[in-house]
Amino acid sequence: DTAVSQTPKYLVTQMGNDKSIKCEQNLGHDTMYWYKQDSKKFLKIMFSYNNKELIINETVPNRFSPKSPDKAHLNLHINSLELGDSAVYFCASRRTGGAEQYFGPGTRLTVT
Amino acid sequence: QQQVKQSPQSLIVQKGGISIINCAYENTAFDYFPWYQQFPGKGPALLIAIRPDVSEKKEGRFTISFNKSAKQFSLHIMDSQPGDSATYFCAAIQEGSQGNLIFGKGTKLSVKP
Repeated sequence: DTAVSQTPKYLVTQMGNDKSIKCEQNLGHDTMYWYKQDSKKFLKIMFSYNNKELIINETVPNRFSPKSPDKAHLNLHINSLELGDSAVYFCASRRTGGAEQYFGPGTRLTVT
Repeated sequence: QQQVKQSPQSLIVQKGGISIINCAYENTAFDYFPWYQQFPGKGPALLIAIRPDVSEKKEGRFTISFNKSAKQFSLHIMDSQPGDSATYFCAAIQEGSQGNLIFGKGTKLSVKP
C-alpha cells in the first residue's frame, strides 16, 4: 500500500499549456503539502492545506492553484506553463500536531 | 528565526569512512529534528529523528548527535557504503504546533567504492 501517491510520475508539456498533478494519501492525515524541488535539490514549500483549507501559499505565482476535494486529496493545477516551472513536484502529508511527514514519489515536470 | 542551516552542500567519502553532516537552527521552540534521505528519482524518506531530551540517537550505522545549547545537530553515517549515496536533508519542527517542517538545503553524499 502506497502511503502518498502522485500521478503522473513524468509530465512533458509545452509552454503555455495547462496541466494538473494529482496527489492522494491513505494515512488519514489532515495536512497536505506541495513542494517544488529544483535542479539544486532545494525543497521549497509551495502550499499547505489543513482539512481542505489553504494555510500557506509561499509566494507562488497565481498560475498555480491547489485544489483539495477532500482531506485525502490535494491536486495541483498549473496554468500557462513556463520554462521555469520545470522541476520535480512532491506532495506530502502529516497529521496536524504530529511530527512525521511523508512524501510522495514526485512528479517530474518538463516544460519545453 | 525559522531557518535551518545545513552543511556541507556536498560530501565525498570513501567506502568504510564516516560521513558527517551538520545542521544549525535558530528557533528554540523546535523540539523534533528529523533527517530525510532522498535517492535519485524518489521522494524524501524519514531516516532517523531526535528530540532534544537526549543528546544522541543511534539506529544501525546512523547516529544523530544533538547539542541543545549550541542549537546544532548532526548526522553521522558510520562505515559509509556506496548504497548510502543520496541527498540528505535535516529538518526541524515544533511538534504539536500548526507549523511546518523547516528543511535545510540538503547535502549530496557520494560514497566512493
